[in-house]
This record gives sequence, structure tokens and C-alpha cells, in this order.
Amino acid sequence: DARVTQTPRHKVTEMGQEVTMRCQPILGHNTVFWYRQTMMQGLELLAYFRNRAPLDDSGMPKDRFSAEMPDATLATLKIQPSEPRDSAVYFCASGPGGGRNVRNQPQHFGDGTRLSIL
Amino acid sequence: QKEVEQDPGPLSVPEGAIVSLNCTYSNSAFQYFMWYRQYSRKGPELLMYTYSSGNKEDGRFTAQVDKSSKYISLFIRDSQPSDSATYLCAMINTNAGKSTFGDGTTLTVKP
Repeated sequence: DARVTQTPRHKVTEMGQEVTMRCQPILGHNTVFWYRQTMMQGLELLAYFRNRAPLDDSGMPKDRFSAEMPDATLATLKIQPSEPRDSAVYFCASGPGGGRNVRNQPQHFGDGTRLSIL
Repeated sequence: QKEVEQDPGPLSVPEGAIVSLNCTYSNSAFQYFMWYRQYSRKGPELLMYTYSSGNKEDGRFTAQVDKSSKYISLFIRDSQPSDSATYLCAMINTNAGKSTFGDGTTLTVKP
């Protein structure tokens, strides 16, 4: 059963430190999404890639967040410097590529990175 | 006003009850509709994916879409304690190619 894999599952660090979260999308999927989930805001889309190219990162604070896909099997989300308000669960999701309606395919989620910034 | 509105609950029902979960939306560009189930400390898991207005059934789950009213529902028949989770509706904006999620409804099914 193919799954999206995220590491680490938990991260606790002090304010100001760099945080890197990693995601391995489902093999063959060519769309990758980063979300942040909090009690107050629910699921918020941070960034979206297709074929490793960033298509939309309008939901991401540009001054401290960056998202990349070094290769087709790895997506990263970095926060530098981290702040207490960044504490949340960060989810990666991937969607299948190919076909005429690639934009309309549902996403499959990993189990998230639970981030706490002290 | 949010593009997708979902009653957060919480909703508590006895085992065996029929559960109805609902979302409304305002953007006509939403053409594909999904329901996800999220257990505590897990990622959302896709339950149902549908495009057309009408009903789609999968086991004890039925997804209903009414595009004219911009209203979608998920029905769970013969609910089980294992159905206790947060249920999120999601909709794909076909122009932008990305999904917008409801805030989720927390369901508890009591034995």
C-alpha cells in the first residue's frame, strides 16, 4: 500500500533555530503539496509543486519559509528562523500525474510532522 | 467568509446510528469533491472522491453532491466506534488545480 512518508514525525526546538521537514511522495506522483494544520486555522495550503517545479507558494511566509524538490523522491520544507507561532502539524500530500485531468486528482497525505517551537 | 463552510461539531451518536456530515461552498469553480477521515495524530485519509451531482456509495459511506445548491454531504450508515474521527470535506478548484478544505467535523460514535 503506497504511502507518503514524512520525517521527522516530531520536532521540538528553540525559537530561532532552522527546521527542515522532509517528504517522500508516492512513487509516480508528480504533484506535491505542503499544508499546515492548526486548531485555529485548520488545513492551510503553503506550497504546491508539479513535476518538481513550484507552482504556487502564496500561502507561505516568504521571509522565513522555503520549499524545494531536489529530486522526484524528495520534497523539503524549511523554516529559518523558526518562531513559536510556527508550531503546528505540517502535512505533505502527493497526487498522481499524467492524464488530461491531472489537476483534478485527489491528494494522499502523509502522517505529518508535529512541530513545536519553544 | 470562507469558501468552504463545515460545522465543526462535535457530533456524538450511538453505535448503529446514521450520521450526516455536511459542507457548503460558494465558489462555482469547485467541481470535484472529496471527503477525508482523520484519526488523531494521523494524516487525512481519502474516503470518497466524486464529480457529478448525485450519490456515490462505497460500503457504509454515501457521498452526495448538489451543485445547484453548492452543498455536499457524507452519510455513514450503521456507524461504528471505529468511525470516530474528524471528517474533512475538500473541493478542487479546477481553474487553480488545488484543493480547499473545510475545517472538519469531529465525530464520536459511542458503543
